[in-house]
Amino acid sequence: SYVLTQPPSVSMAPGKTARITCGGNNIGGESVHWYQQKPGQAPVVVIYSDSDRPSGIPERFSGSKSGNTATLTISRVEAGDEADYYCQVWHSSSDCVVFGGGTKLTVL
Amino acid sequence: EVQLVESGGGLVQPGGSLRLSCEASGFTFSSYWMSWVRQAPGKGLEWVANIKQDGSETYYVDSVKGRFTISRDNAKNLVHLQMNTLRDEDTAVYYCASRPMVYAHAPFWGQGTLVTVSS
Repeated sequence: SYVLTQPPSVSMAPGKTARITCGGNNIGGESVHWYQQKPGQAPVVVIYSDSDRPSGIPERFSGSKSGNTATLTISRVEAGDEADYYCQVWHSSSDCVVFGGGTKLTVL
Repeated sequence: EVQLVESGGGLVQPGGSLRLSCEASGFTFSSYWMSWVRQAPGKGLEWVANIKQDGSETYYVDSVKGRFTISRDNAKNLVHLQMNTLRDEDTAVYYCASRPMVYAHAPFWGQGTLVTVSS
């Protein structure tokens, strides 16, 4: 089965830039989406189709992809960004939606 | 306003059955793929099942194949998840979500319903 690998945790001071990676075999051929989930709440998409940002999501959130890794970048991190972040693809070869294991962002 | 409202969760014994429902409003339900995604306590998100707009295609994670069935009623804007032969490891909050295409992101999510499998 297809696996997306994320670091379990990332810590960053307010005002700095946080980068959360998502690794997967041939991820370059997949469309990667990123979700933010705060405790007790449903996930919210923050980046879709690798680098597109839904309306209402701050420009501080951006997405990119290179080689076998997709990256969610959060610039000028704020306390309100503290949450779990998940990457997700549709793996067409196996007809499965796949989520990464999630990364807990802690704002120091 | 888009709303997805799940219902049907609760406590069930191992080997038992439960049927979850999700009622959609505020968007053209019949134009969206519908999904169920679950999250075990303290764990990450796990996709469970997808169903195409007209119900002609369904997909499942391997761990629920043969036990769970996703279905939809476009006339009533409802999607269901019939869960049979439940196991302890099926304990989770179950979310329904919608996506315009099978490979797209899910812009709309419900608030989830808790399923607890325990004796």
